[in-house]
Amino acid sequence: DAGVTQSPTHLIKTRGQQVTLRCSPISGHKSVSWYQQVLGQGPQFIFQYYEKEERGRGNFPDRFSARQFPNYSSELNVNALLLGDSALYLCASRISHFMNTEAFFGQGTRLTVV
Amino acid sequence: RKEVEQDPGPFNVPEGATVAFNCTYSNSASQSFFWYRQDCRKEPKLLMSVYSSGNEDGRFTAQLNRASQYISLLIRDSKLSDSATYLCVVNISPNAGNMLTFGGGTRLMVKP
Repeated sequence: DAGVTQSPTHLIKTRGQQVTLRCSPISGHKSVSWYQQVLGQGPQFIFQYYEKEERGRGNFPDRFSARQFPNYSSELNVNALLLGDSALYLCASRISHFMNTEAFFGQGTRLTVV
Repeated sequence: RKEVEQDPGPFNVPEGATVAFNCTYSNSASQSFFWYRQDCRKEPKLLMSVYSSGNEDGRFTAQLNRASQYISLLIRDSKLSDSATYLCVVNISPNAGNMLTFGGGTRLMVKP
Protein backbone atom coordinates (compact mmCIF):
# COMPACT_ATOMS: atom_id res chain seq x y z
CA ASP A 1 0.00 0.00 0.00
CA ALA A 2 1.25 3.46 -0.83
CA GLY A 3 2.04 5.69 2.10
CA VAL A 4 1.62 9.44 2.16
CA THR A 5 3.07 10.91 -1.01
CA GLN A 6 4.20 14.49 -1.45
CA SER A 7 5.36 16.35 -4.51
CA PRO A 8 7.71 17.76 -5.45
CA THR A 9 10.45 16.42 -3.17
CA HIS A 10 12.69 19.44 -3.66
CA LEU A 11 11.99 22.94 -4.87
CA ILE A 12 13.97 26.15 -5.26
CA LYS A 13 12.10 29.45 -5.52
CA THR A 14 13.09 33.10 -5.39
CA ARG A 15 11.76 35.64 -2.92
CA GLY A 16 8.34 36.99 -3.83
CA GLN A 17 7.31 33.94 -5.83
CA GLN A 18 4.43 31.64 -5.07
CA VAL A 19 4.61 27.89 -4.50
CA THR A 20 2.12 25.01 -4.40
CA LEU A 21 2.91 21.79 -2.59
CA ARG A 22 0.86 18.65 -3.00
CA CYS A 23 -0.03 15.73 -0.76
CA SER A 24 -1.88 12.46 -1.32
CA PRO A 25 -2.94 10.76 1.93
CA ILE A 26 -3.01 7.05 2.57
CA SER A 27 -6.01 5.45 0.90
CA GLY A 28 -9.00 5.68 3.22
CA HIS A 29 -7.55 8.51 5.29
CA LYS A 30 -9.72 11.62 5.37
CA SER A 31 -7.63 13.96 7.51
CA VAL A 32 -4.61 15.83 6.19
CA SER A 33 -2.41 18.19 8.16
CA TRP A 34 0.51 20.35 7.09
CA TYR A 35 3.63 21.10 9.12
CA GLN A 36 6.69 23.27 8.57
CA GLN A 37 10.04 22.06 9.88
CA VAL A 38 12.88 24.53 9.90
CA LEU A 39 16.36 23.00 10.15
CA GLY A 40 17.22 22.07 13.70
CA GLN A 41 13.67 22.47 15.04
CA GLY A 42 10.62 20.29 15.46
CA PRO A 43 7.74 20.45 12.99
CA GLN A 44 5.27 23.30 13.49
CA PHE A 45 1.56 22.92 12.74
CA ILE A 46 0.18 24.95 9.83
CA PHE A 47 -3.27 23.52 8.90
CA GLN A 48 -5.55 20.56 9.40
CA TYR A 49 -8.27 19.52 6.96
CA TYR A 50 -10.92 16.88 7.45
CA GLU A 51 -13.64 16.06 4.96
CA LYS A 52 -12.57 19.06 2.87
CA GLU A 53 -13.10 21.51 5.73
CA GLU A 54 -10.43 23.40 7.60
CA ARG A 55 -10.39 22.09 11.17
CA GLY A 56 -7.36 23.88 12.57
CA ARG A 57 -4.91 26.61 11.74
CA GLY A 58 -1.54 27.31 13.32
CA ASN A 59 0.17 30.63 13.88
CA PHE A 60 1.15 31.34 10.28
CA PRO A 61 0.51 34.47 8.19
CA ASP A 62 -2.25 34.70 5.59
CA ARG A 63 0.35 34.09 2.87
CA PHE A 64 -0.16 30.42 3.75
CA SER A 65 -3.34 28.77 2.51
CA ALA A 66 -4.47 25.23 1.83
CA ARG A 67 -7.36 23.20 0.57
CA GLN A 68 -8.50 19.60 0.44
CA PHE A 69 -10.08 18.03 -2.61
CA PRO A 70 -12.96 15.50 -2.87
CA ASN A 71 -10.41 12.66 -3.18
CA TYR A 72 -8.86 13.90 0.14
CA SER A 73 -5.61 15.03 -1.46
CA SER A 74 -4.45 18.46 -0.41
CA GLU A 75 -2.47 21.45 -1.59
CA LEU A 76 -0.54 23.97 0.46
CA ASN A 77 0.03 27.36 -1.15
CA VAL A 78 2.50 29.96 0.00
CA ASN A 79 2.48 33.41 -1.58
CA ALA A 80 5.12 36.16 -1.55
CA LEU A 81 7.85 33.79 -0.43
CA LEU A 82 10.38 34.98 2.13
CA LEU A 83 13.82 33.58 2.85
CA GLY A 84 12.46 32.39 6.20
CA ASP A 85 9.97 30.12 4.43
CA SER A 86 12.85 27.80 3.55
CA ALA A 87 12.03 24.57 5.34
CA LEU A 88 10.87 20.99 5.03
CA TYR A 89 7.10 20.93 4.54
CA LEU A 90 5.50 17.78 5.88
CA CYS A 91 2.06 16.40 5.19
CA ALA A 92 0.47 14.07 7.74
CA SER A 93 -2.40 11.72 7.02
CA ARG A 94 -4.85 10.30 9.58
CA ILE A 95 -7.81 8.03 9.12
CA SER A 96 -9.97 10.52 11.03
CA HIS A 97 -9.54 13.79 12.89
CA PHE A 98 -9.88 12.18 16.32
CA MET A 99 -6.93 12.85 18.54
CA ASN A 100 -5.73 9.34 19.22
CA THR A 101 -5.45 8.22 15.62
CA GLU A 102 -1.90 7.81 14.41
CA ALA A 103 -0.49 10.47 12.08
CA PHE A 104 1.57 9.15 9.19
CA PHE A 105 3.97 11.59 7.56
CA GLY A 106 5.06 11.88 3.97
CA GLN A 107 8.73 12.29 3.12
CA GLY A 108 8.24 16.03 2.82
CA THR A 109 8.97 18.76 0.30
CA ARG A 110 12.22 20.59 0.89
CA LEU A 111 11.68 24.22 -0.13
CA THR A 112 14.62 26.57 -0.55
CA VAL A 113 13.92 30.26 -1.07
CA VAL A 114 16.82 32.27 -2.51
CA ARG B 1 8.19 29.73 26.71
CA LYS B 2 7.89 26.90 24.19
CA GLU B 3 4.82 24.70 24.49
CA VAL B 4 6.89 21.50 24.44
CA GLU B 5 10.47 21.62 25.66
CA GLN B 6 13.22 19.05 25.25
CA ASP B 7 16.95 18.97 25.85
CA PRO B 8 18.38 19.12 22.30
CA GLY B 9 21.41 16.98 23.23
CA PRO B 10 23.23 15.39 21.56
CA PHE B 11 23.34 12.43 23.88
CA ASN B 12 26.39 10.35 22.95
CA VAL B 13 26.16 6.87 24.46
CA PRO B 14 27.94 3.54 23.88
CA GLU B 15 26.10 0.52 22.55
CA GLY B 16 24.26 -1.29 25.31
CA ALA B 17 23.78 1.79 27.46
CA THR B 18 20.50 2.94 28.95
CA VAL B 19 19.49 6.48 28.09
CA ALA B 20 16.56 8.62 29.22
CA PHE B 21 14.97 11.65 27.58
CA ASN B 22 12.65 14.09 29.29
CA CYS B 23 10.11 16.52 27.98
CA THR B 24 7.85 19.12 29.58
CA TYR B 25 4.70 20.64 28.15
CA SER B 26 2.98 23.85 29.14
CA ASN B 27 -0.62 23.40 28.03
CA SER B 28 -2.60 21.56 30.70
CA ALA B 29 -5.33 20.94 28.11
CA SER B 30 -3.00 18.58 26.22
CA GLN B 31 -4.88 15.37 25.74
CA SER B 32 -2.65 12.77 24.14
CA PHE B 33 1.07 12.25 24.03
CA PHE B 34 3.57 10.57 21.75
CA TRP B 35 7.20 9.99 21.02
CA TYR B 36 8.21 10.20 17.36
CA ARG B 37 11.54 9.24 15.88
CA GLN B 38 13.09 11.20 13.02
CA ASP B 39 16.14 10.01 11.11
CA CYS B 40 18.37 12.55 9.39
CA ARG B 41 16.54 14.21 6.46
CA LYS B 42 13.60 11.82 6.81
CA GLU B 43 10.01 12.21 7.98
CA PRO B 44 8.98 11.67 11.62
CA LYS B 45 7.62 8.22 12.46
CA LEU B 46 5.58 7.24 15.48
CA LEU B 47 7.67 5.40 18.05
CA MET B 48 5.02 5.00 20.71
CA SER B 49 2.04 6.61 22.33
CA VAL B 50 2.36 7.58 25.99
CA TYR B 51 -0.28 6.66 28.54
CA SER B 52 -0.81 7.82 32.11
CA SER B 53 -0.17 4.31 33.39
CA GLY B 54 3.13 4.15 31.55
CA ASN B 55 3.79 1.76 28.70
CA GLU B 56 6.56 -0.38 27.37
CA ASP B 57 7.42 -1.63 23.89
CA GLY B 58 10.46 -3.89 23.88
CA ARG B 59 13.48 -1.82 24.91
CA PHE B 60 11.44 1.40 25.05
CA THR B 61 9.48 2.64 28.06
CA ALA B 62 7.42 5.83 28.11
CA GLN B 63 5.88 7.54 31.11
CA LEU B 64 3.56 10.47 31.61
CA ASN B 65 3.15 12.61 34.72
CA ARG B 66 0.12 14.85 34.14
CA ALA B 67 0.50 16.66 37.46
CA SER B 68 4.02 17.76 36.59
CA GLN B 69 3.29 17.99 32.85
CA TYR B 70 6.27 15.80 32.16
CA ILE B 71 6.90 12.96 29.70
CA SER B 72 9.85 10.60 29.58
CA LEU B 73 11.33 8.00 27.26
CA LEU B 74 13.76 5.33 28.43
CA ILE B 75 15.78 3.28 25.95
CA ARG B 76 17.51 0.20 27.30
CA ASP B 77 20.36 -1.74 25.64
CA SER B 78 20.93 0.97 23.02
CA LYS B 79 21.66 -0.15 19.46
CA LEU B 80 23.56 1.70 16.75
CA SER B 81 20.26 1.84 14.85
CA ASP B 82 18.69 3.87 17.67
CA SER B 83 20.73 6.89 16.55
CA ALA B 84 18.14 9.48 15.55
CA THR B 85 16.28 12.53 16.82
CA TYR B 86 13.47 11.80 19.25
CA LEU B 87 10.54 14.19 19.16
CA CYS B 88 8.19 14.64 22.10
CA VAL B 89 4.69 15.39 20.81
CA VAL B 90 1.47 16.47 22.49
CA ASN B 91 -1.95 16.67 20.90
CA ILE B 92 -4.07 19.70 21.65
CA SER B 93 -7.61 19.99 20.37
CA PRO B 94 -8.67 23.61 20.27
CA ASN B 95 -12.21 24.02 18.98
CA ALA B 96 -12.80 21.32 16.40
CA GLY B 97 -9.21 21.10 15.39
CA ASN B 98 -6.60 18.56 16.27
CA MET B 99 -2.99 19.66 16.19
CA LEU B 100 0.24 17.95 17.09
CA THR B 101 2.68 20.19 18.92
CA PHE B 102 6.28 19.04 18.65
CA GLY B 103 9.25 19.67 20.86
CA GLY B 104 12.51 20.63 19.24
CA GLY B 105 13.80 17.07 19.46
CA THR B 106 16.59 15.32 21.33
CA ARG B 107 19.42 13.95 19.25
CA LEU B 108 20.80 10.54 20.21
CA MET B 109 24.05 9.13 18.88
CA VAL B 110 24.88 5.54 19.81
CA LYS B 111 28.53 4.65 19.27
CA PRO B 112 30.22 1.23 18.96
